Amino acid sequence: GESVGLHLPTLSVQEGDNSIINCAYSNSASDYFIWYKQESGKGPQFIIDIRSNMDKRQGQRVTVLLNKTVKHLSLQIAATQPGDSAVYFCAEGFNQAGTALIFGKGTTLSVSS
Amino acid sequence: GAVVSQHPSWVICKSGTSVKIECRSLDFQATTMFWYRQFPKQSLMLMATSNEGSKATYEQGVEKDKFLINHASLTLSTLTVTSAHPEDSSFYICSARLAVGTDTQYFGPGTRLTVL
Repeated sequence: GESVGLHLPTLSVQEGDNSIINCAYSNSASDYFIWYKQESGKGPQFIIDIRSNMDKRQGQRVTVLLNKTVKHLSLQIAATQPGDSAVYFCAEGFNQAGTALIFGKGTTLSVSS
Repeated sequence: GAVVSQHPSWVICKSGTSVKIECRSLDFQATTMFWYRQFPKQSLMLMATSNEGSKATYEQGVEKDKFLINHASLTLSTLTVTSAHPEDSSFYICSARLAVGTDTQYFGPGTRLTVL
């Protein structure tokens, strides 16, 4: 089946830098996208989501960009902190009750002080 | 925000035994819950969609007779791994979607299953 994938398995940044994590999705019919953060041994934690009728959405220190033309999704983290170190997954879904999310492969973000 | 709990958080069992994992939505009703499995350093793989009051929908390659799912109420879904074997050792995570309103799925903390 179709899946959501990430460009880089790992990303290392210095504390205070901005981080950009990318994701490419293959199903053009997907209309809902989410970024999750997963720390070791824990379940995914919701970060931010975006619907397909938007191309940008901002949260606290995070911004998600959606480019439907090239089916690309990115997560920008401003002023990255050591506590941001985790695995980040993008997921795609549909704006329809009862449908599951399909997860990409994940990017491990390492933040050094 | 919505809270999803899982019990137990970890379990070790002998090969051939069955293990039940509970997933509860604590402060909201969930018409639909989802069960995922995650192997080390891999992504979450959807196993099945659990609908309250009806049979679960399993993904291709997931044995429905081995992974029994019951969603008896709007706040509880259970996954039973029957006749567990070492290859079933994994991190099992459930998620729940609000009955109405948002598309957001809230995930439980996961259950680490180790089969000896």
